[in-house]
Amino acid sequence: AQTVTQSQPEMSVQEAETVTLSCTYDTSESDYYLFWYKQPPSRQMILVIRQEAYKQQNATENRFSVNFQKAAKSFSLKISDSQLGDAAMYFCAYRMNSGGSNYKLTFGKGTLLTVNP
Amino acid sequence: SAVISQKPSRDICQRGTSLTIQCQVDSQVTMMFWYRQQPGQSLTLIATANQGSEATYESGFVIDKFPISRPNLTFSTLTVSNMSPEDSSIYLCSSSTLYGYTFGSGTRLTVV
Repeated sequence: AQTVTQSQPEMSVQEAETVTLSCTYDTSESDYYLFWYKQPPSRQMILVIRQEAYKQQNATENRFSVNFQKAAKSFSLKISDSQLGDAAMYFCAYRMNSGGSNYKLTFGKGTLLTVNP
Repeated sequence: SAVISQKPSRDICQRGTSLTIQCQVDSQVTMMFWYRQQPGQSLTLIATANQGSEATYESGFVIDKFPISRPNLTFSTLTVSNMSPEDSSIYLCSSSTLYGYTFGSGTRLTVV
């Protein structure tokens, strides 16, 4: 079974600084997707970034980028120039890509990010 | 990407009663998913709902407790039956899209 581990229950960062959230996963599959989701106090789950396992290039979305190490099964999220609005719970998630037979997302336990002014 | 309207946003219910949560998607989607999230914790998948077939339940969740309907490709409901205080939680629906997954805004359920 696939598992997703986020080893940092809580992290804090100063506004305008950079922070990296860690995620490791375990799978025997070679084709899959990895996601980072943000959940602010409003409860709304917001997709931050997505990485396809067969793409070697790390995904980037504005201030958010990932360091995807497939061999190490590591998928960290870097937030640059942190803003107060980045404060939220961040979830790493995995989805197998086996020809459409299984679309379940497996979530890590989450990392609560605090941004200090 | 798809937008999901979920309601109610919150409710306080008496033990022994049932609550039905509705999710309406603004486009047709194949799969819908129902999650439970305890405060401050991760999301736990309850079941996957395909239109026209029985929902597939995860270990620890049963149809009698969490019946799901999926009458068409844009709508689904989850009922929490015979509620107890242990059912107090946030319930979220989700649908898969080409790029990722879209989530409803969640239902905060308190059972007293």
